Amino acid sequence: GENVEQHPSTLSVQEGDSAVIKCTYSDSASNYFPWYKQELGKGPQLIIDIRSNVGEKKDQRIAVTLNKTAKHFSLHITETQPEDSAVYFCAANTGNQFYFGTGTSLTVIP
Amino acid sequence: DTAVSQTPKYLVTQMGNDKSIKCEQNLGHDTMYWYKQDSKKFLKIMFSYNNKELIINETVPNRFSPKSPDKAHLNLHINSLELGDSAVYFCASSQGPWGYTFGSGTRLTVV
Repeated sequence: GENVEQHPSTLSVQEGDSAVIKCTYSDSASNYFPWYKQELGKGPQLIIDIRSNVGEKKDQRIAVTLNKTAKHFSLHITETQPEDSAVYFCAANTGNQFYFGTGTSLTVIP
Repeated sequence: DTAVSQTPKYLVTQMGNDKSIKCEQNLGHDTMYWYKQDSKKFLKIMFSYNNKELIINETVPNRFSPKSPDKAHLNLHINSLELGDSAVYFCASSQGPWGYTFGSGTRLTVV
């Protein structure tokens, strides 16, 4: 099955700085890579996703890049705000099943 | 309206008891899932149902039994609860691989 690795496990940044979270995957057939944000006491929520026919996708302060050759994808958050503090998960699919990374706890320091 | 709702939100019970967690989705999705999130926040899939048919059953003790009365509902029944079952359990649904939506979780504490 798919193996998704995610780094770093914890990340602290000053408000206004950028944050980058990186993931690698093992299954070359994976073609869909969503990112989820989990706030305290809540379920993970989809924040952005990218499909394998696209190299980069942006939505306001959030962007995701995909390198299919190297089998890695990254989440970039610019101009971070305290409300960006949460646990972020990457995922990759094998068919209809998703495998999640181990999560990154992001803290934005005001 | 909540897209994926699960009840209860909190469940505290003694070892050896049997308990159920219910999940309902109103998104019209054809696939539903149960995930377990441990204390380190790792999300591990337990079961997946497609149109009431079990399609994924990861290595989970057979004390855990999912039941899907229709494609909008997927319940999780747990027999003979153990301390190690303490975790947050998430229900999710999707249409194929798209639109993966999680419920808000059930925090199970076994004492």
